[in-house]
Amino acid sequence: GENVEQHPSTLSVQEGDSAVIKCTYSDSASNYFPWYKQELGKRPQLIIDIRSNVGEKKDQRIAVTLNKTAKHFSLHITETQPEDSAVYFCAAHNQAGTALIFGKGTTLSVSS
Amino acid sequence: EAQVTQNPRYLITVTGKKLTVTCSQNMNHEYMSWYRQDPGLGLRQIYYSMNVEVTDKGDVPEGYKVSRKEKRNFPLILESPSPNQTSLYFCASSWEGQGGYEQYFGPGTRLTVT
Repeated sequence: GENVEQHPSTLSVQEGDSAVIKCTYSDSASNYFPWYKQELGKRPQLIIDIRSNVGEKKDQRIAVTLNKTAKHFSLHITETQPEDSAVYFCAAHNQAGTALIFGKGTTLSVSS
Repeated sequence: EAQVTQNPRYLITVTGKKLTVTCSQNMNHEYMSWYRQDPGLGLRQIYYSMNVEVTDKGDVPEGYKVSRKEKRNFPLILESPSPNQTSLYFCASSWEGQGGYEQYFGPGTRLTVT
């Protein structure tokens, strides 16, 4: 079945710096890759997603890139702000459509 | 307001005492799923449902049951809870499983089994 590896597990940056979180997946048939943000004590919420027919997607300060050949995708946050501090999860949708397989999460800390 | 609700939000119980965590969505979503979240392990799927009366196991189904008698409700049942089921539980729903759609999460239920 699908397996998703996420790195790093923790990431600390200064306000204004960029942050990059990387994920790899195992199932070459996966076709949907969302990223969720979970603030402390809150539920995960979708921040951006990308489908397998697209290589890059951007939404203001966040962007996601997908390399299907290498089976990896990355989240890029530019001009980080303290409110970006949270746990970020990548996920890959399995081919059968029965599950989102999540990475173990990255705790991002942005210090001012 | 479109939302997924869960009850209770917090629960402390003892080993072996049956409990049910309810989940309800008002978005007419076909797909619903239960996850447990443990430190360092991310979100792991327990059970999912593609539609009414269609349920199946996820990655960690042992010790849990579900039912989907109505489209909006997807309760999680622990027949005989054990301490290793102490966790944070999330229910989620989306338009359908196949194709890939945003999953909307409930607020979470923090369960402690002593």
